[in-house]
Amino acid sequence: QKEVEQDPGPLSVPEGAIVSLNCTYSNSAFQYFMWYRQYSRKGPELLMYTYSSGNKEDGRFTAQVDKSSKYISLFIRDSQPSDSATYLCAMSSLSNDYKLSFGAGTTVTVRA
Amino acid sequence: DSGVTQTPKHLITATGQRVTLRCSPRSGDLSVYWYQQSLDQGLQFLIQYYNGEERAKGNILERFSAQQFPDLHSELNLSSLELGDSALYFCASSVEGRRGPGELFFGEGSRLTVL
Repeated sequence: QKEVEQDPGPLSVPEGAIVSLNCTYSNSAFQYFMWYRQYSRKGPELLMYTYSSGNKEDGRFTAQVDKSSKYISLFIRDSQPSDSATYLCAMSSLSNDYKLSFGAGTTVTVRA
Repeated sequence: DSGVTQTPKHLITATGQRVTLRCSPRSGDLSVYWYQQSLDQGLQFLIQYYNGEERAKGNILERFSAQQFPDLHSELNLSSLELGDSALYFCASSVEGRRGPGELFFGEGSRLTVL
């Protein structure tokens, strides 16, 4: 079993829809939770970062962490064609905070 | 543009050969990370260097080695290449020195194809 599980999709939604992405994990030591966005032929870039449990909102993006269920989510409201990318969840522990464990990534296409 | 430069962008070589991938981190970043991205394994952490010293190691094969030089650029050496080593190799850098993980800045990757 992988340490971080993420449904690879692909996910196709119409413009304006809400995109819902999620990951589950098995390592209870994870405290830092991130979402990276990767456009085709580019490196990943950090989109959202959350410490421990709770919600965080940044514009159209909302990240949620439920440590009791070992489950994290990313919601994209009013999705745009420019949101079409692969979204990777990533997480790390307090003792090794820069060693990120990534999910497989979910490919999202927003149709105009 | 993340500020992290990787060369070469593409590399095609044969099994059994050796290649070197190069990474220049963002100006001022002391940490360099190497990740391997393949279709079946996703992004896998290989190794981290901080200011010239190895800091953390992931599932890096013995055939692979890395180093960080005094000017902070890093090289990843892959030897005795096998077909399964074909992947995208990413370098990332970050600013450290405070509690908690910083943002990793990824380069655009080096795509290695082993034939």
